[in-house]
Parts: sequence; C-alpha cells; structure tokens
Amino acid sequence: NAGVTQTPKFQVLKTGQSMTLQCAQDMNHNSMYWYRQDPGMGLRLIYYSASEGTTDKGEVPNGYNVSRLNKREFSLRLESAAPSQTSVYFCASRAGQGRTYEQYFGPGTRLTVT
Amino acid sequence: SQQGEEDPQALSIQEGENATMNCSYKTSINNLQWYRQNSGRGLVHLILIRSNEREKHSGRLRVTLDTSKKSSSLLITASRAADTASYFCATGRIDRGSTLGRLYFGRGTQLTVWP
Repeated sequence: NAGVTQTPKFQVLKTGQSMTLQCAQDMNHNSMYWYRQDPGMGLRLIYYSASEGTTDKGEVPNGYNVSRLNKREFSLRLESAAPSQTSVYFCASRAGQGRTYEQYFGPGTRLTVT
Repeated sequence: SQQGEEDPQALSIQEGENATMNCSYKTSINNLQWYRQNSGRGLVHLILIRSNEREKHSGRLRVTLDTSKKSSSLLITASRAADTASYFCATGRIDRGSTLGRLYFGRGTQLTVWP
C-alpha cells in the first residue's frame, strides 16, 4: 500500500515550457487535491476533485489545469511555466467528501522555473 | 482570511520539555486538524478535533479547541529530537455552494528539539 505517490520528485523548467505533475493514490479515496507550498507560507489549494470526472478551482488556480483521469489519478498541468510557479507541489487525497476526514499527502514535487 | 495562524513561528526547546503551539482562525469551522511536516517531506496528519469537542488526546499529543475564542492549541509532552518538524493547523469547513470539505492551512510553527 503505497498511499499517495507523486512524480517527478524534482523538476527544472525554463519559462514558457510545459509539464504535467502526476499523482496517484491506492486507498480508493474519492477526493483528491493539489496544493502549492511556498517558503514561509502554508499550503494553498490550487484545484480539487470531489470524485472521478469532477474538478473545481481552489484559491490559486491561474496558470494551472487538472485532469481527474480515473479514481486513482489526478494530474496537474502547467501549460506555460512562469518563475512565479516555482514552488513545492503536494497532492493529497481523502476518503469522503464531508466535514471530518483527514487528508493523506504525497511526498511533493519540487519545481523550479528559471 | 480563512486560514489558521500559528503562534509562535518558531520554537526551540530541550528534549524532555513540553512544546505548546497555538492556532487562531477567523471563520466558523467544522473541525480543526494538526499536521506535521518533516523537512523535505509531505504532511502527516496528527489529530482532528471536531467543533463540538473541547479537548482530545493522542499519545503525547493534547489538542484543545475554544470556538468562542476561535483558537486551538497543540501540546506535545516530553518532546524528543524526532519531534523536530514544522507543525500546521488546518481549519476544515465546507464552503457555501460546495459539498466537498476543504482545509485551510496556516503558515506553521517550526519546532526544534535539541538533544
């Protein structure tokens, strides 16, 4: 049982390049999330998916797109990377949609945009 | 902001001492959760306290919640060097028009426990 896995672990992009961050969970969770974490900041929600086939914007969605490919996988795409997107990206999942469920986090992807 | 705000930003103690971290928030919540993040790693859930609960224990962790003051505290008793990490509070709620619970994270407290 691997939990939440993310690939790649590290990535360096040039401004304007595109890439997709992959996330998968093997806990049969319905809900999945993408966050970014910047120095001195808490996690900020980029996009989330309540269930397969649905996605919604979080606090900081500009410059990103997502795909909930199936129940296991939730990918984050940067179409044209900008230096402001340099950050650590975390994927998370949780069992239910209601109020009182904990989230399980992946190990993160460290992205640098030059 | 709906985020929790932790206090202090950094805390440095000796092994065996207790560590207390506080969290304040501004809006009504369904629950409040605490997470730990070791350097370079993802977040790990520690404990969840519902809005109708006042205190909860888990091992060496004790969490209190005062909804009238919109504040929570996390106490780690008999700290160990392995407790060195960042600790985040996260307020849980379901936003208007949504059916999905979300978490709003604070900026964290960096705890260092010296051997």
